[in-house]
Amino acid sequence: AQSVAQPEDQVNVAEGNPLTVKCTYSVSGNPYLFWYVQYPNRGLQFLLKYITGDNLVKGSYGFEAEFNKSQTSFHLKKPSALVSDSALYFCAVNTRFQKLVFGTGTRLLVSP
Amino acid sequence: SQTIHQWPATLVQPVGSPLSLECTVEGTSNPNLYWYRQAAGRGLQLLFYSVGIGQISSEVPQNLSASRPQDRQFILSSKKLLLSDSGFYLCAWRGPSASYEQYFGPGTRLTVT
Repeated sequence: AQSVAQPEDQVNVAEGNPLTVKCTYSVSGNPYLFWYVQYPNRGLQFLLKYITGDNLVKGSYGFEAEFNKSQTSFHLKKPSALVSDSALYFCAVNTRFQKLVFGTGTRLLVSP
Repeated sequence: SQTIHQWPATLVQPVGSPLSLECTVEGTSNPNLYWYRQAAGRGLQLLFYSVGIGQISSEVPQNLSASRPQDRQFILSSKKLLLSDSGFYLCAWRGPSASYEQYFGPGTRLTVT
């Protein structure tokens, strides 16, 4: 079965520093991978996706993610974190039945 | 552009009362529609999805049901709420084209007392 894992419940980073939120996947076949962000009491916002092509995917708000097939990872990155990036981040993978399977989420806390 | 609406935004209901949450999508046709529940601000549980009018797939057997009476309308219902039904309910849509991502509504916060 398709699944993703987010090994960190929380990531702390200082404003201006680079950030990484980790995601690993387990799929049969080619993975379609996604990152979403959720602010308190709001719906999820789509950030970026990897379907095929370049391993480095650029998305909204300066975020990017690197697909690594050998390590089965799809880590979310940003060169310089902002306090406003503090939120809950979800990694997800598409299944053959047009559904998404989500990770458990990683809380990102950016300190001033 | 496409827009997804959910209402109500918040709801407080007593145990045993009925429930109806509504989701509508604008600006697209024949979308796939999804209901999720999020408990304790963390993981999402897929409850139902629909690929067309009257077509509902249930992911988890429980106290809830879903209906899709119109192409862009998706309703989540219950005849008798349980305390365990409390949570944040999210509706999402996905376009019929090759775009694989889903887009989420603002959510409904349900508290069962």
